[in-house]
Amino acid sequence: DAGITQSPRHKVTETGTPVTLRCHQTENHRYMYWYRQDPGHGLRLIHYSYGVKDTDKGEVSDGYSVSRSKTEDFLLTLESATSSQTSVYFCAIRPADGTGELFFGEGSRLTVL
Amino acid sequence: AQSVSQHNHHVILSEAASLELGCNYSYGGTVNLFWYVQYPGQHLQLLLKYFSGDPLVKGIKGFEAEFIKSKFSFNLRKPSVQWSDTAEYFCAVRTRGSNYKLTFGKGTLLTVNP
Repeated sequence: DAGITQSPRHKVTETGTPVTLRCHQTENHRYMYWYRQDPGHGLRLIHYSYGVKDTDKGEVSDGYSVSRSKTEDFLLTLESATSSQTSVYFCAIRPADGTGELFFGEGSRLTVL
Repeated sequence: AQSVSQHNHHVILSEAASLELGCNYSYGGTVNLFWYVQYPGQHLQLLLKYFSGDPLVKGIKGFEAEFIKSKFSFNLRKPSVQWSDTAEYFCAVRTRGSNYKLTFGKGTLLTVNP
């Protein structure tokens, strides 16, 4: 168990509404990541963080923002959700004592109508 | 930017058949390589990884993979699959200086018929 909790696990929302997904970890890992998973695309990196207030963009960052004000929480915000953002969102952490592998949360399924 | 190609989108096998899933990456420098598995409705779990040393790596549940640097490949193998191996398999690569970001392939869905 990597100690990652994502919330909400399921959400249905309407186009144009803001949405925030939360990733919470219990073990103070420095690196945290947000990926989205879509059929035929695998997992694509949205944003990642390498410390409190230190974040950077991934390959599909348009329409998303992130914040990390505490080590344990990494928030992903869709300022104005669109149907193309319907996806399953996975948070991941990288343990400092590992060899680079990431450990993933259970996922948050978002549907934008 | 690096990329990962998984050429098999959907593989269908019968139980006890042998499995080989292809993975190729495009990056000329030092890489770490990973195979993840995602069982239906679940999150990704690490199957095995190559970091350095012996290019033949063994993972959980009888899976293994071979890193062939000259071919930029990291193919996943299992000599005899089981129905419970039905899942989606993802190859991923990490390159030096990437802030430990993983780039994933598009995945291969494996269906094992009993």
